[in-house]
Amino acid sequence: QQQVKQSPQSLIVQKGGISIINCAYENTAFDYFPWYQQFPGKGPALLIAIRPDVSEKKEGRFTISFNKSAKQFSLHIMDSQPGDSATYFCAASKGTSYDKVIFGPGTSLSVIP
Amino acid sequence: DTGVSQDPRHKITKRGQNVTFRCDPISEHNRLYWYRQTLGQGPEFLTYFQNEAQLEKSRLLSDRFSAERPKGSFSTLEIQRTEQGDSAMYLCASSLAVGRGGEKLFFGSGTQLSVL
Repeated sequence: QQQVKQSPQSLIVQKGGISIINCAYENTAFDYFPWYQQFPGKGPALLIAIRPDVSEKKEGRFTISFNKSAKQFSLHIMDSQPGDSATYFCAASKGTSYDKVIFGPGTSLSVIP
Repeated sequence: DTGVSQDPRHKITKRGQNVTFRCDPISEHNRLYWYRQTLGQGPEFLTYFQNEAQLEKSRLLSDRFSAERPKGSFSTLEIQRTEQGDSAMYLCASSLAVGRGGEKLFFGSGTQLSVL
């Protein structure tokens, strides 16, 4: 079963625009929510992560918004650049006990000039 | 920082053959993960180690798959009697798990397996 759902599957944004990717989870035991970025031919790399004790976390142009009651979280990329074109994965794990990271199916982002 | 190294980068094999992949994690990392990724999908958990102990193996993983991490250093993933459905990118990741969980995973570039 898909423990972490993600949408959209693909996204095209103009340079300078805002990219928004949404995720939802079912397991209320999850308490660590990272986002990974993957370029073709490379493994995923951690971009930003959040724990449910905060509703928002910002690092540079990247912001995670977290809604614990709705069991949803999203990634916002401000001022999107062509170099941001990649596949983005939301993920979740039970961070308080050493547990595996479960990934969503991914969103392919293309930022066009 | 040499990062996580995986070998080989590509492997082509015939159905029914055995294959083995190697992963060298970042030296001070105590956890090592194996994931499988198919085109257009997210990484799917296979198994992970804390030092040399294999802590969990996915229920989706058939008995044809086995992984080892002798002495808590490098790891190998072996697939016996390969099937066409095994064709995928096999990713290794390592992390340093200290205190509260939710550690950062460092991924290698993967081994792309094609089973003909």
